[in-house]
Amino acid sequence: SQKIEQNSEALNIQEGKTATLTCNYTNYSPAYLQWYRQDPGRGPVFLLLIRENEKEKRKERLKVTFDTTLKQSLFHITASQPADSATYLCALGVYNNNDMRFGAGTRLTVKP
Amino acid sequence: DAGVTQSPTHLIKTRGQQVTLRCSPKSGHDTVSWYQQALGQGPQFIFQYYEEEERQRGNFPDRFSGHQFPNYSSELNVNALLLGDSALYLCASSGDTQYFGPGTRLTVL
Repeated sequence: SQKIEQNSEALNIQEGKTATLTCNYTNYSPAYLQWYRQDPGRGPVFLLLIRENEKEKRKERLKVTFDTTLKQSLFHITASQPADSATYLCALGVYNNNDMRFGAGTRLTVKP
Repeated sequence: DAGVTQSPTHLIKTRGQQVTLRCSPKSGHDTVSWYQQALGQGPQFIFQYYEEEERQRGNFPDRFSGHQFPNYSSELNVNALLLGDSALYLCASSGDTQYFGPGTRLTVL
């Protein structure tokens, strides 16, 4: 069966360090992968999309990689700040199929 | 632009009751998807509406139904509520990417 696993339930890092979150998947061939941020009691907010033919995408302090051989995406936040504390979700999708599959999320806490 | 709005914010129902949740998509978006997010889990796709028709459905029973109106707003109806239906229900409207609303927290007692 299809599985999407995000590295750990919670990740604690010090302010200024780089946070690295992992999204692994099995029995799935996504055409693209998205990362979302979700704050408590709020809906997810779209951050980045990376397609299967792209290795890396960047947006300000965010970087996403996508390795379809390893079936893994890494999400990096450089120079992390306490305001980056949130749950981060990865979501996999295929074209012409609106049933996006989400991981359970990783709760990131950045300590001052 | 108000973004995606949902109502109500919170709702408490008892087992066996029926509930209707509402969503207004972001301006200019004609496609609405509904998701169920249980505590500590990622969102699960329920269904998507486009041009007032259900375009695709996830793995949810027929107790979950929906509707889309000509102004693109949408409703999610859940009949015969079960305790396991307690969750955050999210609506998302799609343009080039998905925009989620704040969700409706449903508690079934």
